[in-house]
Amino acid sequence: GEDVEQSLFLSVREGDSSVINCTYTDSSSTYLYWYKQEPGAGLQLLTYIFSNMDMKQDQRLTVLLNKKDKHLSLRIADTQTGDSAIYFCAERNQAGTALIFGKGTTLSVSS
Amino acid sequence: GAVVSQHPSRVICKSGTSVKIECRSLDFQATTMFWYRQFPKQSLMLMATSNEGSKATYEQGVEKDKFLINHASLTLSTLTVTSAHPEDSSFYICSAQVSLERDTQYFGPGTRLTVL
Repeated sequence: GEDVEQSLFLSVREGDSSVINCTYTDSSSTYLYWYKQEPGAGLQLLTYIFSNMDMKQDQRLTVLLNKKDKHLSLRIADTQTGDSAIYFCAERNQAGTALIFGKGTTLSVSS
Repeated sequence: GAVVSQHPSRVICKSGTSVKIECRSLDFQATTMFWYRQFPKQSLMLMATSNEGSKATYEQGVEKDKFLINHASLTLSTLTVTSAHPEDSSFYICSAQVSLERDTQYFGPGTRLTVL
């Protein structure tokens, strides 16, 4: 079945780069997404990538997609304390009707 | 950008009562809205998909008689938790799909439900 896996925790120092990894199972996924959730809040769409792309860059965010290995990563350059949050990777389900989320990676940024 | 609101943001109710949660797309029309449930430190679990003017499609294991969904207009969907019990306490998040725009879902801020 469809499944999305992420590591649960990542801890970095302010100013360093953060790399959050994700693997997914549905090779037919057309779009893959990264969402950010701050404590007690809903999800904020950070970025997405279409499956025919290898990379997408948006300011401090870089998304890399390895479709062969079904591996997605989110790199945050110059990580700030305000980046501390839970980051969810998501793929669209086979029916194309909903998103399948990973369990989320908690990013902790220390100054 | 597309904004989705939820009301209330936090609700506490007694066991056995019903609670209605509203999800609104503020600056766009959403043909499809989704309802998710999130337990502490867990991922989002899709409960149901709601299309305007038609019955909601529920995920396996979600009781449709307990979680009533109404999508009366292109900007409003409601989730009613009927006869709430403490195990229904959770964070409920809705999302709305912007039709014709890359199928991106935009999420509401969530509603924290606590059933005593």
